[in-house]
Amino acid sequence: GESVGLHLPTLSVQEGDNSIINCAYSNSASDYFIWYKQESGKGPQFIIDIRSNMDKRQGQRVTVLLNKTVKHLSLQIAATQPGDSAVYFCAEKVRGGNTPLVFGKGTRLSVIA
Amino acid sequence: DAGVIQSPRHEVTEMGQEVTLRCKPISGHDYLFWYRQTMMRGLELLIYFNNNVPIDDSGMPEDRFSAKMPNASFSTLKIQPSEPRDSAVYFCASRTAEDRFAHNEQFFGPGTRLTVL
Repeated sequence: GESVGLHLPTLSVQEGDNSIINCAYSNSASDYFIWYKQESGKGPQFIIDIRSNMDKRQGQRVTVLLNKTVKHLSLQIAATQPGDSAVYFCAEKVRGGNTPLVFGKGTRLSVIA
Repeated sequence: DAGVIQSPRHEVTEMGQEVTLRCKPISGHDYLFWYRQTMMRGLELLIYFNNNVPIDDSGMPEDRFSAKMPNASFSTLKIQPSEPRDSAVYFCASRTAEDRFAHNEQFFGPGTRLTVL
């Protein structure tokens, strides 16, 4: 049977602080990136996306930063709330054609009230 | 819009039984994806369809797994015979073709939690 589970990186943050979740992507040809949030018992939900011609994009309380030089993506959550506790996945895609999204392993964010 | 619909939400079966998971994508979406999520392997892409045609099934674990998309509004993932190691949460997702702004957001269903005893 299964002996070892997938050990997700875990980030613990105090409520009200800012959170930064990092992701290293693998394909230098990827030019589209998405962050997903998955709460317990639910499917992944879209948070924010960014194309490779941008290095920063802001949403409501979230900011995604893209550094193509080092193939690094980060998600910043401002004023983290208990409802932000979830597993966060980055996903990358090569634009065009039938290429699917490729998901990372995920990071668990735990918000301490 | 009801979003991606999956059924059943939970399935418990015995080893050797046939299992059929169902998915209704969002209306108008051209792509449909089946994923499996486990603690061991994370989120794995099993197969995906474009306009009802399977494009890549290289993620399907073995011949016991099969998927069909008979029309634009319905897909099934079948496991026959099922084994305990197939226990996982199976997600269906759909999206449109790329728009000119290259938004490729995939919308996920709530998943089917499969337990094979």
